[in-house]
Amino acid sequence: QKEVEQDPGPLSVPEGAIVSLNCTYSNSAFQYFMWYRQYSRKGPELLMYTYSSGNKEDGRFTAQVDKSSKYISLFIRDSQPSDSATYLCAMSNQAGTALIFGKGTTLSVSS
Amino acid sequence: DAGITQSPRHKVTETGTPVTLRCHQTENHRYMYWYRQDPGHGLRLIHYSYGVKDTDKGEVSDGYSVSRSKTEDFLLTLESATSSQTSVYFCAIRDNQETQYFGPGTRLLVL
Repeated sequence: QKEVEQDPGPLSVPEGAIVSLNCTYSNSAFQYFMWYRQYSRKGPELLMYTYSSGNKEDGRFTAQVDKSSKYISLFIRDSQPSDSATYLCAMSNQAGTALIFGKGTTLSVSS
Repeated sequence: DAGITQSPRHKVTETGTPVTLRCHQTENHRYMYWYRQDPGHGLRLIHYSYGVKDTDKGEVSDGYSVSRSKTEDFLLTLESATSSQTSVYFCAIRDNQETQYFGPGTRLLVL
């Protein structure tokens, strides 16, 4: 079993839809959870960071961490064509160590 | 790109030649990382540094070496490039909030 599993998609939604992106993981020691957005031929851009469990909201984006289920989610409200990108989840068990990434979910938002 | 530059941005080289990629940061952060990104594998850590002259191996370090003689520069060297090292290479830095920020990437093609 891979440490971090993420459905690669592609996921296609109409503009204005609510998007749910998810990752599951196997290492219960993970404490730091991140979501990155990556546009084609660009570097990953940090979207959300959560330490341990709980929810975090930033504008149209909400990140949730459920450590009991080893499951993290990213919700995008009122999705826009500019949200079309690949979304990567990442996590680590100790500050300063390597991030373990999911393989990314490709999202396409049509106008 | 959070004060991170990578050079060169694109490189084509031949099997067996040495290649050095440079990562430069203007943020004065202690931790720096080299990842590679490949289809089907996502982002994987090659090496990281936790200070000047302090480095450690990541998941896919075979065939790579690194050096860090100054806080701002982290070099990745392929001593004898192979076709399996064709990839997109990303440098990252870690800030004081435990999050990692990525550079724009270097696309390397080994023929």
